[in-house]
Formats: sequence, C-alpha cells, structure tokens
Amino acid sequence: QQPVQSPQAVILREGEDAVINCSSSKALYSVHWYRQKHGEAPVFLMILLKGGEQKGHEKISASFNEKKQQSSLYLTASQLSYSGTYFCGTDWFGNEKLTFGTGTRLTIIP
Amino acid sequence: GAVVSQHPSWVICKSGTSVKIECRSLDFQATTMFWYRQFPKQSLMLMATSNEGSKATYEQGVEKDKFLINHASLTLSTLTVTSAHPEDSSFYICSARTSGVNEQFFGPGTRLTVL
Repeated sequence: QQPVQSPQAVILREGEDAVINCSSSKALYSVHWYRQKHGEAPVFLMILLKGGEQKGHEKISASFNEKKQQSSLYLTASQLSYSGTYFCGTDWFGNEKLTFGTGTRLTIIP
Repeated sequence: GAVVSQHPSWVICKSGTSVKIECRSLDFQATTMFWYRQFPKQSLMLMATSNEGSKATYEQGVEKDKFLINHASLTLSTLTVTSAHPEDSSFYICSARTSGVNEQFFGPGTRLTVL
C-alpha cells in the first residue's frame, strides 16, 4: 500500500528538468513532498490538498490529480543543491498520518 | 519558525538496555507528534502518533510495549526503546504539527546503534 514513486533514481546535469511521480492505491486527501539529504531529516517542500491544485515556488512545483490518485513534482533548471532523495507523503484520511512513498534519488552533476 | 529538535542526535548502546529519545517543538505548540523509523536506503515508516495528554496510537506491527511513547506537554514527546536489540538499530525521526496547520515539521533525527 506504500505509494510508488517513479523513477527510482535519476541523474541530471545542472540546468536540466526533472519530473517525479507519486502514485497511490487509495484516494488521496493530501500529498506532502519532502527532500532528504543523506543522514539528515526530510525537509518540507510543499503540500497539495484535495482539490486538484497546483503549487509552486521558484523552480519547484507540483500537481495533484485526484482522479488518477497521483501527484507529480516538477523541478526546472535543476541546481546542484537539488540533489537528494525525494519522498511523497500521502494522507489518505485527512488525519495527517503520512505514508511515505518509495523514494526517488536525484543526483545533479555539474 | 517551526523548529523541531531531537536529542540525542546519535546513541550507541548495548543489547538489552533502554534508550530514550526526546523530540521538542521549540517555537510552537505541537498538538500532534509523529514518530518514524527509517532503515538504510529505505523510506520513512510511521511508527506511532501521539497527541498531548493522551495515549499514543501505534501502527500495525509496532510493539507498544517495546516502543514507549509519552507526550506529556505541548512541546515534548519522548520515545523509549526498551530492551533494545541490534535489529532496532535505525534512524528515528519525529515530526510535529500544530492544530489548524497541515504541515509537519521534522526533527533532525536520532541514529540508534545497538551492539
């Protein structure tokens, strides 16, 4: 029942774009996106609430497709600091209990 | 704002001993705190949810008598790993949220190594 993320890993050159997908087997109330660097705690990126909204700030944005039970994270003009493992956290019942996805390891090279 | 701290950041203990990990919200009142465990190269797995002043709710497969959680105040929750064994070695991370806010703020994590 853990949300499945794709791709599992991706290597990009600085300045390239990336899309990370998160697919849930259940209807979603909200999706939370985090980035985690090795040995550190996850850092919050954004939340998307039920309603199909799209959010973004600077070069990171995300969409939420309720019908498909999916969310996608878009990274444009990637920077070296974007490297890390990205996790989606799905809240299925609106109780803020998150089930984290399988993770996507992003490596940005100069 | 919204800073969560954990103590200790790492701990090494002998098999059979108990270890206590503290999670504090420094600049907000945490009505709910969550405890996660993360094994190397794996995702975070929710262990339990604790609300201030009430008993913690454990996820399926998590032994409540082994992982004791106390949320005695709006800024502090503790996780005690009792009779720790090598298989309990993991990265333990807490997160906290306050009423009316959807975001969860994560602590820096505690790396537990049981010898």
